[in-house]
Amino acid sequence: GENVEQHPSTLSVQEGDSAVIKCTYSDSASNYFPWYKQELGKRPQLIIDIRSNVGEKKDQRIAVTLNKTAKHFSLHITETQPEDSAVYFCAANPAGGTSYGKLTFGQGTILTVHP
Amino acid sequence: EAQVTQNPRYLITVTGKKLTVTCSQNMNHEYMSWYRQDPGLGLRQIYYSMNVEVTDKGDVPEGYKVSRKEKRNFPLILESPSPNQTSLYFCASSLLAHSNTEAFFGQGTRLTVV
Repeated sequence: GENVEQHPSTLSVQEGDSAVIKCTYSDSASNYFPWYKQELGKRPQLIIDIRSNVGEKKDQRIAVTLNKTAKHFSLHITETQPEDSAVYFCAANPAGGTSYGKLTFGQGTILTVHP
Repeated sequence: EAQVTQNPRYLITVTGKKLTVTCSQNMNHEYMSWYRQDPGLGLRQIYYSMNVEVTDKGDVPEGYKVSRKEKRNFPLILESPSPNQTSLYFCASSLLAHSNTEAFFGQGTRLTVV
């Protein structure tokens, strides 16, 4: 089955700096890569996703890049703000059969943005 | 308001006492699943359902049961809870079972088994 590794486990930045979180996956059949943000005590919520037919996707201050050959994808947050502080999870999902909807998550990254 | 609703939010129980965590979605989603969240391990899938009466094991199904008698409801049953099932549980739903779409999560249920 799919295995997703996420690094770093914690990340501390100053407000205004950029933050980068990296994930690798094992199943070359995976074709959907969402990122979820979980604020303290809250539920995970989708912030951005990318499919395997694109290499990069951007939404305001956040962007995701995908390298299918190397089987890794990254989340980039620019101009970080204190409200970006949260746990971020990457996930991967292979296509086909009963695998649709079955997200395999990384271990999570605790991002702290210091004012 | 479109949402996934779990109950209860918090539960403390004793080893061996059967319990059910309910999950309901009002978005007519086909796909529903249960995850547990443990520190350093991320979210791990327990069971999933692709539609009514169609359920299957996820990555960590031992000690859990589910049912999907109606499209909107997907309860998680712990027949004989043990301390290693102490965790934060999330129910999630997605629109389609045969396409990758956004997963919407419930508020979470923090379970403690003593």
